[in-house]
Amino acid sequence: GESVGLHLPTLSVQEGDNSIINCAYSNSASDYFIWYKQESGKGPQFIIDIRSNMDKRQGQRVTVLLNKTVKHLSLQIAATQPGDSAVYFCAEIISNFGNEKLTFGTGTRLTIIP
Amino acid sequence: DAGVIQSPRHEVTEMGQEVTLRCKPISGHDYLFWYRQTMMRGLELLIYFNNNVPIDDSGMPEDRFSAKMPNASFSTLKIQPSEPRDSAVYFCASSSPPGQGATEAFFGQGTRLTVV
Repeated sequence: GESVGLHLPTLSVQEGDNSIINCAYSNSASDYFIWYKQESGKGPQFIIDIRSNMDKRQGQRVTVLLNKTVKHLSLQIAATQPGDSAVYFCAEIISNFGNEKLTFGTGTRLTIIP
Repeated sequence: DAGVIQSPRHEVTEMGQEVTLRCKPISGHDYLFWYRQTMMRGLELLIYFNNNVPIDDSGMPEDRFSAKMPNASFSTLKIQPSEPRDSAVYFCASSSPPGQGATEAFFGQGTRLTVV
């Protein structure tokens, strides 16, 4: 029978081009938003975070944008390289009585075309 | 530090058997998270601990699942009895409190569980 699974959004980008990965969230109480990268056979790896009171943060080749009005988060990767091919997850940290809960979105598969 | 260490890396067991997954967090980290990753549900948070105390186990699917953290350097996730639908990759992660400016959670390599 046909297997049913999560329909991971996919994005294919030519090597050297910029890529933008998007994420929508629903909880306005999130304190931090974080992007993780997961390569095949490995655990997720932290890329960059942004606090909820910010709207932009830059790292090395990566920029995260946060639009709280429409509850939207994006990750921009500049000058993509083959090593950027992976599944990218947005995640959020929600604080509750001093405890921080880390939960993940569904992920986007990015493929860099050589 | 060697990072978060999980064992075993792979586990194949028969339905009905007890399975115990192990995790050693990074020394000094206060938080420990257990996640399950499947094609059907993605990366699900099962339970997390703060200073060895279970804080939120609302993601634990059934009473067949239990998790413990007897000390700051060790945690277990147990499934008893196991079922084929428990087949997944189970990840453990640890972190410092974000309030200290460190939001990064460090993940182990995962345990791939197959229940036949």
